[in-house]
Order: sequence, then C-alpha cells, then structure tokens
Amino acid sequence: DAKTTQPTSMDCAEGRAANLPCNHSTISGNEYVYWYRQIHSQGPQYIIHGLKNNETNEMASLIITEDRKSSTLILPHATLRDTAVYYCIGQGPLGSGGSNYKLTFGKGTLLTVNP
Amino acid sequence: DTGVSQNPRHKITKRGQNVTFRCDPISEHNRLYWYRQTLGQGPEFLTYFQNEAQLEKSRLLSDRFSAERPKGSFSTLEIQRTEQGDSAMYLCASSYYRDRQETQYFGPGTRLLVL
Repeated sequence: DAKTTQPTSMDCAEGRAANLPCNHSTISGNEYVYWYRQIHSQGPQYIIHGLKNNETNEMASLIITEDRKSSTLILPHATLRDTAVYYCIGQGPLGSGGSNYKLTFGKGTLLTVNP
Repeated sequence: DTGVSQNPRHKITKRGQNVTFRCDPISEHNRLYWYRQTLGQGPEFLTYFQNEAQLEKSRLLSDRFSAERPKGSFSTLEIQRTEQGDSAMYLCASSYYRDRQETQYFGPGTRLLVL
C-alpha cells in the first residue's frame, strides 16, 4: 500500500468548507485513494474513494491531482458533527495478481470544527 | 449504522482469561476483516477471510489469537490467556470483493480491557 502523509491536525469554522490534504507520492497506478473518518470511540466510516478522476458523493468531494501524487478531501459545509480523525489510504492489489486489500491506516488528520 | 454488527461492545476481563468476539457482516459481503486499534493509533490489520477461507494473518496475530468464519457469514475472534497488552478496540469490517475492487465497511468495534 502507498505511504500517505497528512497534517496532524486542522481547524475549520462551522459552515465553511474543510479541505483536507493528503500526499501519496508513491501510489501505484492500480491503487485507489480511500478516505475514512473516525469519530471518537466509533468504528471508521467510509467517506469516498477515487482512482484518477475527481469524485463527489453526498458526504464529500475528492480532488486527485493529475499526477496522482496528492489529493484533497473537501467537506463543503462543515458541521460540528464532522469533528473526527480523517484517514487517507492508498489501497489496491499488492503487485500484479495481488488480492489483499487490507487497509493500512496512518495517524490521520484530526479535524476540529469550531462553532 | 453500516450494517456490520459486533458483540459485545465492551468486555472487561482478567489477565489469563479467554475472550471471544463476534462479528456479523453485511449479508451479501464475501470478505471479512479484523483490525485492532490501540489508543492514539490508527487501526492495524490482523486477518481476513474470503468466504470461509482465512487468506492472511498479520504477525500481530500471535498463537493466542484465532479467528474463524465457519459458514462464510459471521466470524469470531478468540483471544486465549489474555494479557494486559491485548487491551484495545477490535474492529471488524466487511466488503464485497469483485473485479479487483472493494470498499470495507466497519462495525462499531469491541473495546477490550484486560485487568
């Protein structure tokens, strides 16, 4: 799995967009970029994933750079309930023919949404 | 609620006792993962099943740990002769793997405290 680098913490004002960056310069061509978040004492929650193109769903948008070395998760209108640790993960088959898709979590970014 | 359930949610035990956790995945999912999360760290992969076959075990999974998924549905994780270092959150995730893609959905976790 690709090693990812994220800031340790970020703050965002309620109602504003939260932009969470992630560097994944070693990501391989067949690895997806996944984002999960974990609210205190709960299991990780899937947010969104992408390969090359930008993606959007009801929770967030994912912007992946053309060279795929970095991405940004955007929460368009952050609320207090979005306060959580956000994990960016590169996931995919390990080498050609690999079938193990275990997630390798780092320490993530603690996003604090302030009123 | 992702549809993945784990029981019990909390377990307190004394050192040396055996404990067993259960995970019920989303019904049509063919893969089931176990992760462990200690305080301040991201989840770490322990093992995973595709249907009833256990395909990989992490080096974190010592011989005191055993996992089963007897009919390819629910799974159990047993820890024998628990140690204080086993205190952690144990997370289960399930996915539907097809065409070299999958998204894992996590349960709420079982928090274990070994006294």
